[in-house]
Amino acid sequence: EVQLVESGGGLVKPGGSLRLSCAASGFTFSSYSMNWVRQAPGKGLEWVSSISSSSSYIYYADSVKGRFTISRDNAKNSLYLQMNSLRAEDTAVYYCAREGGSSLAPLDYWGQGTLVTVSS
Amino acid sequence: DIQMTQSPSTLSASVGDRVTITCRASQSISSWLAWYQQKPGKAPKLLIYKASSLESGVPSRFSGSGSGTEFTLTISSLQPDDFATYYCQQYNSFQGTFGQGTKVEIK
Repeated sequence: EVQLVESGGGLVKPGGSLRLSCAASGFTFSSYSMNWVRQAPGKGLEWVSSISSSSSYIYYADSVKGRFTISRDNAKNSLYLQMNSLRAEDTAVYYCAREGGSSLAPLDYWGQGTLVTVSS
Repeated sequence: DIQMTQSPSTLSASVGDRVTITCRASQSISSWLAWYQQKPGKAPKLLIYKASSLESGVPSRFSGSGSGTEFTLTISSLQPDDFATYYCQQYNSFQGTFGQGTKVEIK
């Protein structure tokens, strides 16, 4: 069974940093691209970042470019999101999600999400 | 960047109704479109991919159509479990933009 479990969320002050993790199991993690998607309270889904299976291709939303860094450790079956210079508008539930196996694929499995709150 | 626009934002319907949600892309995305269902406090669930392919395990009352810039999600006979928010997402470009969502409410 595919499982994605996020951790690392919490309360952080504006300008602070936080590192999210996503532990994957039930599939060959090193074969899939992975994504982070966030959802501000009461709002819609916003795609944040993606990373290819071997970390060769990395993409970011304009809203987080230069502040967030996505990475992965295939030996540990883990995905990460380093978030720096956090702003109030980064407050959201952050989901990790797997892309299906082809080069252009939807997000077929999602974690339960971890809440990040940016507030003084 | 590709923008995705869903309509309506909210839809009130009754059990048994046929429901249609529209998603428009700001430029052609071929058929690289997915539909997700989200219930409060839960992660989104993939329903439809490549515009019209039904994800395994999803009831056949859900269907998708369209290509290029205009797409629809149809629920042929709305069931109590279908009251939720639905999102489209394009994955033609590497920034996988979502629509703003359509909330399907009980009439």
